[in-house]
Amino acid sequence: SQKIEQNSEALNIQEGKTATLTCNYTNYSPAYLQWYRQDPGRGPVFLLLIRENEKEKRKERLKVTFDTTLKQSLFHITASQPADSATYLCALRDRGSTLGRLYFGRGTQLTVWP
Amino acid sequence: EADIYQTPRYLVIGTGKKITLECSQTMGHDKMYWYQQDPGMELHLIHYSYGVNSTEKGDLSSESTVSRIRTEHFPLTLESARPSHTSQYLCASSKPGTGSGGNTGELFFGEGSRLTVL
Repeated sequence: SQKIEQNSEALNIQEGKTATLTCNYTNYSPAYLQWYRQDPGRGPVFLLLIRENEKEKRKERLKVTFDTTLKQSLFHITASQPADSATYLCALRDRGSTLGRLYFGRGTQLTVWP
Repeated sequence: EADIYQTPRYLVIGTGKKITLECSQTMGHDKMYWYQQDPGMELHLIHYSYGVNSTEKGDLSSESTVSRIRTEHFPLTLESARPSHTSQYLCASSKPGTGSGGNTGELFFGEGSRLTVL
């Protein structure tokens, strides 16, 4: 069956450290993968996209890697701040989907403490 | 800031009532979606539309219905609400394109409608 699995537990780190979140997928052939941030009671907000032929993307303190051999994407937040505390969702667009829809993981809840 | 709006943000109703969740966007996007999300769970697509008069059911079976009479408006209706319908409903829209070039294919989400059926 098709699965998207993110860090199984919440991630708690100290301010200033690098947070690394994992997204693993099974039985998908992603055209691209996206990361979203979701705050409690709010809708997700898009952060970054990485395509199947890209290894790494950066945006300010954010970095995403994509390894199609390992079927994994890593999402890094460097110099983390308490304001980075949120749930982070990975989503992928499957080449096999004729409708171009996105499939989401359950998310990883990140808490950055001072 | 995304220009997509959902109302109501919160709704508590009794079993058997008919409800409509409103979703409007001012970005001129053709594609619109409804997702359902329970706490700690992934977003499940329940309806989508590629344009006016185009609506399809998503992956997750839902007793709700949608309509797309205008580009900017994509309401979701439950004819007879039940406690099993209690959930967060998220509306989203996206630009046309497949994520190539400068188009990230991102979804723009509303703030969500949290429905509780007693």
